[in-house]
Amino acid sequence: KNEVEQSPQNLTAQEGEFITINCSYSVGISALHWLQQHPGGGIVSLFMLSSGKKKHGRLIATINIQEKHSSLHITASHPRDSAVYICAVKSGGGADGLTFGKGTHLIIQP
Amino acid sequence: DAGVIQSPRHEVTEMGQEVTLRCKPISGHNSLFWYRQTMMRGLELLIYFNNNVPIDDSGMPEDRFSAKMPNASFSTLKIQPSEPRDSAVYFCASSNTNYGYTFGSGTRLTVV
Repeated sequence: KNEVEQSPQNLTAQEGEFITINCSYSVGISALHWLQQHPGGGIVSLFMLSSGKKKHGRLIATINIQEKHSSLHITASHPRDSAVYICAVKSGGGADGLTFGKGTHLIIQP
Repeated sequence: DAGVIQSPRHEVTEMGQEVTLRCKPISGHNSLFWYRQTMMRGLELLIYFNNNVPIDDSGMPEDRFSAKMPNASFSTLKIQPSEPRDSAVYFCASSNTNYGYTFGSGTRLTVV
């Protein structure tokens, strides 16, 4: 079973700061997902990646397969970015379910 | 597409009662997943279906939990009898093999 570790668990920053959230996993994967969950809200898929880097607006996700590590970056952070960010991995091919990290609780203060 | 639709959004029930959660996946997605989220354990996979067939139910905590997918557009997760420790948010998600997941809004279950 894949173990997924995220850091930090909690992060408070000021508006405008550059944010980095890290994720490491123990076993080779076919894909890694970054998810966002607002308090009391549903889960939104931000990125799915298996190599390299993806960018969407102010969000950037990178993955290093050899090091079994991924990072999620937020540039020019804003209070509306406050949410829980969850890293999840898909270990096999086909339709295996996801294994989740515990999440990073991000608060951006104005 | 309206996304993954779950019902009910909230459910409060007494211990011992049967609870049925419902999910309508995105049309054309061939995989459906049931997840549970608690403060203590975070998100956990309960069961998933591929082309309506249950593939892995090893995450189902006890025999009190059962799930069905009678057709490509509908799935249920049933708890009978329910217990207070079943209180959690239950998410349904669907996907195509090579695409990201789409999650439903979740069902917040409270068993008193």
